[in-house]
Amino acid sequence: EDQVTQSPEALRLQEGESSSLNCSYTVSGLRGLFWYRQDPGKGPEFLFTLYSAGEEKEKERLKATLTKKESFLHITAPKPEDSATYLCAVQARTNDYKLSFGAGTTVTVRA
Amino acid sequence: DADVTQTPRNRITKTGKRIMLECSQTKGHDRMYWYRQDPGLGLRLIYYSFDVKDINKGEISDGYSVSRQAQAKFSLSLESAIPNQTALYFCATGTENTGELFFGEGSRLTVL
Repeated sequence: EDQVTQSPEALRLQEGESSSLNCSYTVSGLRGLFWYRQDPGKGPEFLFTLYSAGEEKEKERLKATLTKKESFLHITAPKPEDSATYLCAVQARTNDYKLSFGAGTTVTVRA
Repeated sequence: DADVTQTPRNRITKTGKRIMLECSQTKGHDRMYWYRQDPGLGLRLIYYSFDVKDINKGEISDGYSVSRQAQAKFSLSLESAIPNQTALYFCATGTENTGELFFGEGSRLTVL
């Protein structure tokens, strides 16, 4: 069974204080690893897909990286508008019909 | 207008009542999904459908049923609601090619 564990559960940052979120996964043949952002009262919004170890993707202050066992979401010089819950999900080659999600990391950035 | 629309957005009901959550999409995707979100548990798959004639159970389908009325419409029913079905429900669409899912804004269901 595919498993996704995210840490920490919650992260409080000062504006400009860079940090990283971790997503550890076990899957029988990774097809893709996905990062989503979820704002309160909203549905998750797609950020990145990573397909193979060593791959990196960037979007504004966010950078996602992938190894064979985990992915990191680096937030560089965060702003209050980066406050959200960040979800990690994996898609297996054998079960490509679904994404298996972690519980998320809630990031709060104070001005 | 949103690409994936869910109704109702909020619903409070009593144990034993039948509830239907509806989802419609304008993205033209074949794949549609219903997920449930609970604090600390993440999103869990209830049902998914690859086309109108293809309905499949997810990991937590007990107590739920679905109907794919058209390519753009996918509804979730709770035949006899119970309190532990209190949760936030999300409809999502996707394609085979990318694996990326597009989510609605959610339906918050409270069963008393």
